[in-house]
Amino acid sequence: KAGVTQTPRYLIKTRGQQVTLSCSPISGHRSVSWYQQTPGQGLQFLFEYFSETQRNKGNFPGRFSGRQFSNSRSEMNVSTLELGDSALYLCASSLGGGIQYGYTFGSGTRLTVV
Amino acid sequence: ILNVEQSPQSLHVQEGDSTNFTCSFPSSNFYALHWYRWETAKSPEALFVMTLNGDEKKKGRISATLNTKEGYSYLYIKGSQPEDSATYLCAPRGGGGADGLTFGKGTHLIIQP
Repeated sequence: KAGVTQTPRYLIKTRGQQVTLSCSPISGHRSVSWYQQTPGQGLQFLFEYFSETQRNKGNFPGRFSGRQFSNSRSEMNVSTLELGDSALYLCASSLGGGIQYGYTFGSGTRLTVV
Repeated sequence: ILNVEQSPQSLHVQEGDSTNFTCSFPSSNFYALHWYRWETAKSPEALFVMTLNGDEKKKGRISATLNTKEGYSYLYIKGSQPEDSATYLCAPRGGGGADGLTFGKGTHLIIQP
């Protein structure tokens, strides 16, 4: 059974550019969440999608956006990149929105903004 | 946004010893608590999802307990092995389940042979 797939694995972008990251969840999983991991802040919640609808959003500026497609694949977009956006971005999928479901994480996309 | 505290920040344990660490979170607005293990160069791996006060979960040599009234959870590792070396993260979920997971900074566990 394939796990959560994130592409690309590594990315280098210039300040001011925009970037799109992709996440393919485990087959059958309908919930996809995104997290940012930085050394100082740890794992921080960005947003969660369930059946193509954003269920909730973390405390990030509007430059961070996402969407989910009908096949549950999700994309995350960051516009007008800043140096502080350099981080590991993790995607996690879950069977559904119920409280009993744990999340399966992907390997992440390492974004470096120069 | 929940205030999540994990202690200790790091821990060195001799192989074969047992150990435990703590996750503290606001008891109000509690919905569920997740525990994850994150090994270097790998993805976080789900250990437990706990919801009810008094919950106890076990997976091999690892177990966890939950006290929602006072807002804490303990993770126990019995007979530590080198492969247990990892960062252990707890993540409560509040807002009636509408909020995302709020991760603690983790406990970094190193098992010394």
